[in-house]
Amino acid sequence: DGGITQSPKYLFRKEGQNVTLSCEQNLNHDAMYWYRQDPGQGLRLIYYSQIVNDFQKGDIAEGYSVSREKKESFPLTVTSAQKNPTAFYLCATQAGTGSYEQYFGPGTRLTVT
Amino acid sequence: KQEVTQIPAALSVPEGENLVLNCSFTDSAIYNLQWFRQDPGKGLTSLLLIQSSQREQTSGRLNASLDKSSGRSTLYIAASQPGDSATYLCALMDSSYKLIFGSGTRLLVRP
Repeated sequence: DGGITQSPKYLFRKEGQNVTLSCEQNLNHDAMYWYRQDPGQGLRLIYYSQIVNDFQKGDIAEGYSVSREKKESFPLTVTSAQKNPTAFYLCATQAGTGSYEQYFGPGTRLTVT
Repeated sequence: KQEVTQIPAALSVPEGENLVLNCSFTDSAIYNLQWFRQDPGKGLTSLLLIQSSQREQTSGRLNASLDKSSGRSTLYIAASQPGDSATYLCALMDSSYKLIFGSGTRLLVRP
């Protein structure tokens, strides 16, 4: 929370549709991350971006895409190629210097039926 | 490959008890370790961050320790309260500045 906004809080989609999750930050952090959380599990890294116009795949990037056109924004698109898209999605930012502490947004719960 | 394990998966204690949550990891080459709290349906709140060169950090009733040689970290919660009920996650930052998470310990503090 704090300076990280994720919208919407809940999102429902039909199978086969692409959907885009929003993540905005006003912390002036260079790095931004997308994680997926499934029930009873820890977080798994989908994509991350350490600077504008650059991003890298995480551990489970298949079926997802991202863009980083502005420092403040890092939207995540869940495509129809993602086999099990229903999950809780968390966006995070990280200070580029010092402690490298990560800060998390409130999350978006996506349900695909 | 770094693996992070949290034991126990769930813990129920009476109010007022002191408790310890455990986090173990397989590779000692870490940049830092963070403990987070997650309430149901919410995002993560950072509780404590321990740099690789540090042994412990304290904040209020919370104390986190780090022993890289044994691959262990503990989160100590003193005088637990019902408001402490949540899931506690530990996460390690590896050399590429990516966080690797454990699956969490779900804590219930009974009034």
